[in-house]
Amino acid sequence: EIVLTQSPATLSLSPGERATLSCRASQSVRSYLAWYQQKPGQPPRLLIYDASNRATGIPARFSGSGSGTDFTLTISSLEPEDFAVYYCQQRSTWPLTFGGGTKVEI
Amino acid sequence: EVQLVESGGGLVQPGGSLRLSCAASAFTFSNYRMSWVRRAPGKGLEWVADIQKDGSEKYYVDSVKGRFTISRDNAKNSLYLQMNSLRAEDAAVYYCARGPLYFDSWGHGTLVTVSS
Repeated sequence: EIVLTQSPATLSLSPGERATLSCRASQSVRSYLAWYQQKPGQPPRLLIYDASNRATGIPARFSGSGSGTDFTLTISSLEPEDFAVYYCQQRSTWPLTFGGGTKVEI
Repeated sequence: EVQLVESGGGLVQPGGSLRLSCAASAFTFSNYRMSWVRRAPGKGLEWVADIQKDGSEKYYVDSVKGRFTISRDNAKNSLYLQMNSLRAEDAAVYYCARGPLYFDSWGHGTLVTVSS
């Protein structure tokens, strides 16, 4: 099983600041990595797929990079609605796995 | 707009069974792999099971193999999860999610509580 480790667990920032979230895989997932956002009481929302492709309707302030074992989600300038939990997920190998999440808080 | 609506959750005793359903609409259900993903209280997301478009392939996380069965009825635009021998650690919100392998649409989830 591929283990995805996200860091930091919590990121405390202010609106307008840049957020950098990390996801490290226990073995290579090539570029088969996605990022999701989840707010309380809501289902997850797909932000990024295949490491760097924005999903439909996702604002340009969200960007993804990386390949192999190290990946980054960057939010260039935090909006109030961006404070949430973010998860990475790999589809390279069964079982599909998620990271433990990073909470972005004010 | 794509809609996925889960049902069938509830309170069940350890060792009991539940069958979750997911009703899909506004897309061609038979063209998509589908999965169940869960989130236990205070924990992160965990993928549970996946089924190919025609039901010919199924995959499970190790912790549910032999206890849970994923299935679908393309004529009814519905996805199912039969959960047997439930354990306390299976308690979670269960989401139906549209694939393939990344999840671009999700239901709002159904809560499964396992307690005596």
